[in-house]
Amino acid sequence: QPALTQPASVSGSPGQSITISCTGTRSDVGGHNYVSWYQQHPGKAPKLMIYDVTYRPSGVSNRFSGSKSGNMASLTISGLQAEDEADYYCSSYRGVSTLVFGGGTKLTVL
Amino acid sequence: QVQLQQSGPGLVKPSQTLSLTCAISGDSVSSNSATYNWIRQSPSRGLEWLGRTYYRSKWYSDYALSVKSRISINPDTSRNQFSLQLNSVTPEDTAVYYCTRAGNIGSYWGFDYWGQGTLVSVSS
Repeated sequence: QPALTQPASVSGSPGQSITISCTGTRSDVGGHNYVSWYQQHPGKAPKLMIYDVTYRPSGVSNRFSGSKSGNMASLTISGLQAEDEADYYCSSYRGVSTLVFGGGTKLTVL
Repeated sequence: QVQLQQSGPGLVKPSQTLSLTCAISGDSVSSNSATYNWIRQSPSRGLEWLGRTYYRSKWYSDYALSVKSRISINPDTSRNQFSLQLNSVTPEDTAVYYCTRAGNIGSYWGFDYWGQGTLVSVSS
């Protein structure tokens, strides 16, 4: 059972916006600003899209944004494109040098 | 450009030790800002952070509680690489193992570079 809860799947049409939620507890998401989001295409390693809740690494499109409210973090993808179709995972620091992940969300671009 | 190149066997027998190595190019295992981590992924357990090693005037290692009694992550400064050893493996340890880096973009928990992944199967 993953420590963080994500919806199993979301979908959207090209050009639309979608949001993926990541729900934890005050021990992880709610208690630290160390939430990250990863994109994973089949057979590939995950790619960092958002770190520390809201920051984008260099080279990641500004169509990707992150936020947090209480024990829930969110990843929003605006202007959906076909290449955004992938699995998305959240992670959060949980203190005592421990990191937990969500179970992943499959994004389908219709 | 940082690159992480993994090596190691893809098949390990139950009760034996899983050993993987991650060679670093474009950065140093002795960096004062980076941490070097191992993460695994399996259909049953999803993504799981296993542990890390890092240098801050001296060497440190942190491990996930789930594997703490049987894991060791060590740097090799002469070869600029780090390794994973997981003892007493069972079929539950079958997964794709990734080495990763964090820290250089300001976050110790955002992994900005990943190795190519190694599928390790535990089977007799």
